[in-house]
Amino acid sequence: AQSVTQLDSHVSVSEGTPVLLRCNYSSSYSPSLFWYVQHPNKGLQLLLKYTSAATLVKGINGFEAEFKKSETSFHLTKPSAHMSDAAEYFCVVSERGGNNNDMRFGAGTRLTVKP
Amino acid sequence: EAQVTQNPRYLITVTGKKLTVTCSQNMNHEYMSWYRQDPGLGLRQIYYSMNVEVTDKGDVPEGYKVSRKEKRNFPLILESPSPNQTSLYFCASSLSSAGGYYEQYFGPGTRLTVT
Repeated sequence: AQSVTQLDSHVSVSEGTPVLLRCNYSSSYSPSLFWYVQHPNKGLQLLLKYTSAATLVKGINGFEAEFKKSETSFHLTKPSAHMSDAAEYFCVVSERGGNNNDMRFGAGTRLTVKP
Repeated sequence: EAQVTQNPRYLITVTGKKLTVTCSQNMNHEYMSWYRQDPGLGLRQIYYSMNVEVTDKGDVPEGYKVSRKEKRNFPLILESPSPNQTSLYFCASSLSSAGGYYEQYFGPGTRLTVT
């Protein structure tokens, strides 16, 4: 069965510095991978997804992630953090073509952005 | 505006008192799903529905019921709530279950406390 591990429960950066949120996955098949963002008191919003096309995936708000099969990783990055990026981020893995019923969510990483 | 709505947003109740959390989407989506979010565990799927009158269990269905009599609505029913069902609940919908191709849209969440 697939699973995902978010390596940091909390990440704190200063505004204007790079963001790195780490995610490792485990899957018996070719996985689909997603990053979702959850702002306070809001539902989850899809940031980006990998579904076996280009390994470097660009998402909304300047975020991107790289699928590295050899490292079983799908880390989320952004070159320069903005105050509005403060939120909780979830890495999600799904086998079998990204079926919604098959999704496994990570525990989440809370990103704090300091002025 | 395309959206998923949930009501109520906050609910405090007592053990054993039946309650229903409503979920409605205005995007004509076939697929709908309920998740619960607990600290350190990410989101876990409770039930899902592939279409009207078609529902199935997710990973944590015990203590919950659902129904899908209309395409737009997918209520979550707790017949006899217990304190271990205290959680943050999210409803989601998408065009189909193929999450690799169709984004899931999440509602704003319902925070339930059972005393």
